[in-house]
Amino acid sequence: DAGITQSPRHKVTETGTPVTLRCHQTENHRYMYWYRQDPGHGLRLIHYSYGVKDTDKGEVSDGYSVSRSKTEDFLLTLESATSSQTSVYFCAIRPTEKVYEQYFGPGTRLTVT
Amino acid sequence: DAKTTQPPSMDCAEGRAANLPCNHSTISGNEYVYWYRQIHSQGPQYIIHGLKNNETNEMASLIITEDRKSSTLILPHATLRDTAVYYCIVRVASGGGADGLTFGKGTHLIIQP
Repeated sequence: DAGITQSPRHKVTETGTPVTLRCHQTENHRYMYWYRQDPGHGLRLIHYSYGVKDTDKGEVSDGYSVSRSKTEDFLLTLESATSSQTSVYFCAIRPTEKVYEQYFGPGTRLTVT
Repeated sequence: DAKTTQPPSMDCAEGRAANLPCNHSTISGNEYVYWYRQIHSQGPQYIIHGLKNNETNEMASLIITEDRKSSTLILPHATLRDTAVYYCIVRVASGGGADGLTFGKGTHLIIQP
């Protein structure tokens, strides 16, 4: 399972509240990614990281920020959650030597009411 | 990235070979074909990738046509655990962090007992 955990696994929050999702890996991979999955849209890239403190935006980054202060942790923050951010969020890692393969965590189901 | 077209759903009998097609008629010379699958409520799982030669691993075989405009993923002896959504993705392998994946709607493969 590539040693990826996500927390929390489920969360319900109210509109306007801040939310932070955590992705933790145990194998010191350099590349980490956050995706969201919505019905009818497949998975879409939110942000990615290519090292400690090195991050960049993906396809749907508006309303999200990320931080990576340690190799093993990649945090996704919704500064002020909106109902449109209700989704399943997946974290992924990519081993440096495997350009083609990403390994995904179990996902976090977030509901914004 | 080149656009891909997959049938929305397919059935296959348990124990038989499952052949999942993907059309990518606008693929360019440096784009690879990747296959992932997503079992219900889990994160996507890498299956196989290829550029122009046919590829085989412990999970599946990938057959790419000579003109590279289409490909077929073959699960040689499908089991009930192979029931999942299968995604065909075409993109350049950059080798850097900016290689997030874009998943379309995929093919929902249902293995029948």
